[in-house]
Amino acid sequence: SQQGEEDPQALSIQEGENATMNCSYKTSINNLQWYRQNSGRGLVHLILIRSNEREKHSGRLRVTLDTSKKSSSLLITASRAADTASYFCATDRGSARQLTFGSGTQLTVLP
Amino acid sequence: DVKVTQSSRYLVKRTGEKVFLECVQDMDHENMFWYRQDPGLGLRLIYFSYDVKMKEKGDIPEGYSVSREKKERFSLILESASTNQTSMYLCASSFFSGQGTNSPLHFGNGTRLTVT
Repeated sequence: SQQGEEDPQALSIQEGENATMNCSYKTSINNLQWYRQNSGRGLVHLILIRSNEREKHSGRLRVTLDTSKKSSSLLITASRAADTASYFCATDRGSARQLTFGSGTQLTVLP
Repeated sequence: DVKVTQSSRYLVKRTGEKVFLECVQDMDHENMFWYRQDPGLGLRLIYFSYDVKMKEKGDIPEGYSVSREKKERFSLILESASTNQTSMYLCASSFFSGQGTNSPLHFGNGTRLTVT
């Protein structure tokens, strides 16, 4: 079953612009994670935000979490062509250890 | 740096064959996972393991089994491969960070399996 769902499915922007991706989920969580996947490769962990946090930063990444709306957003500032990838949110299932992934947002950054 | 190694990048098998996908991690992680990834469906959890000789079903275990005889190795087995098991298979591992919490997953580069 899909817990997290990303929006939009695809996003195309110019280099230097900001990219915002959204994630909605259905049940309560302990934390939410964002991952990046370059074409044909495995996923790479970007950032983890706990349910009692509202915002977190890591370099050019900014993640927000609104547990009342069951949603999160990932903002990439000053995007680069190298940011071209698929981005996935992943949520736990309360007390369970495993993560459930959404179907991802395909980001294309045009040079 | 954590390394998760999947034995094959590409695999082509025939319908009905028994298929083994191997995954090895080098960071002494307790948790290991097998996902499959299909366009438009994201990643779906097949099986996972919290310890040696321990396994639990994920969301789509039908047609698959797993084996974890050693802590560093987690194998996915397709008992009788079918064309609907053509997919990208991703192995991941993580350490146990405490009850009710999740640590980041470390993924291998995937095995693209084609069943003809």
